[in-house]
Amino acid sequence: EPEVTQTPSHQVTQMGQEVILRCVPISNHLYFYWYRQILGQKVEFLVSFYNNEISEKSEIFDDQFSVERPDGSNFTLKIRSTKLEDSAMYFCASSDARTGMNTEAFFGQGTRLTVV
Amino acid sequence: GDSVTQMEGPVTLSEEAFLTINCTYTATGYPSLFWYVQYPGEGLQLLLKATKADDKGSNKGFEATYRKETTSFHLEKGSVQVSDSAVYFCALSDRGNAGNMLTFGGGTRLMVKP
Repeated sequence: EPEVTQTPSHQVTQMGQEVILRCVPISNHLYFYWYRQILGQKVEFLVSFYNNEISEKSEIFDDQFSVERPDGSNFTLKIRSTKLEDSAMYFCASSDARTGMNTEAFFGQGTRLTVV
Repeated sequence: GDSVTQMEGPVTLSEEAFLTINCTYTATGYPSLFWYVQYPGEGLQLLLKATKADDKGSNKGFEATYRKETTSFHLEKGSVQVSDSAVYFCALSDRGNAGNMLTFGGGTRLMVKP
């Protein structure tokens, strides 16, 4: 069964450092997403990406965040200068979402980011 | 904007007990509704979904019915097992949003005791 894969599963970084979280969405999907879940809190939408550009982003997704699809398979989230409050589980998701059709999103296992 | 409210946990039940986790939503348009489950140490997995009013989603003994009149999508299971212990998230996707992003509720932790 096709799945979304994320690497690494756990990343520890020092405050102020740049991190890149990587995701391989399901191959025939069109929309890609990043969500985050701070420990014990709700899952929050960060950004959606379609046709090589951001289609929607939340207020959380400020200038320190960026996303990229550098090739035909990977989808990355970059945090330029990490803060302690960026510590969270980051989930990548993809969907074959088209207006009026199945809107199911498939999630990866997540990358736990710990900023120290 | 869109929002999802679900009952706070933790919910602690004995094995074979009946489960209800309440979920209500606010959305413009006609959203699709979902329940996701997060087992300990794992990511989010889709449990069930419903895409229009009066639809019933079901999977692994869990059910939820899309009630437009009460804007609810309560999760039920007739007889829970220890293996059902997890965090359950209600979510919606508003078809009006490009990309159909999900709005999640706060999650409800379920603990089932033998």
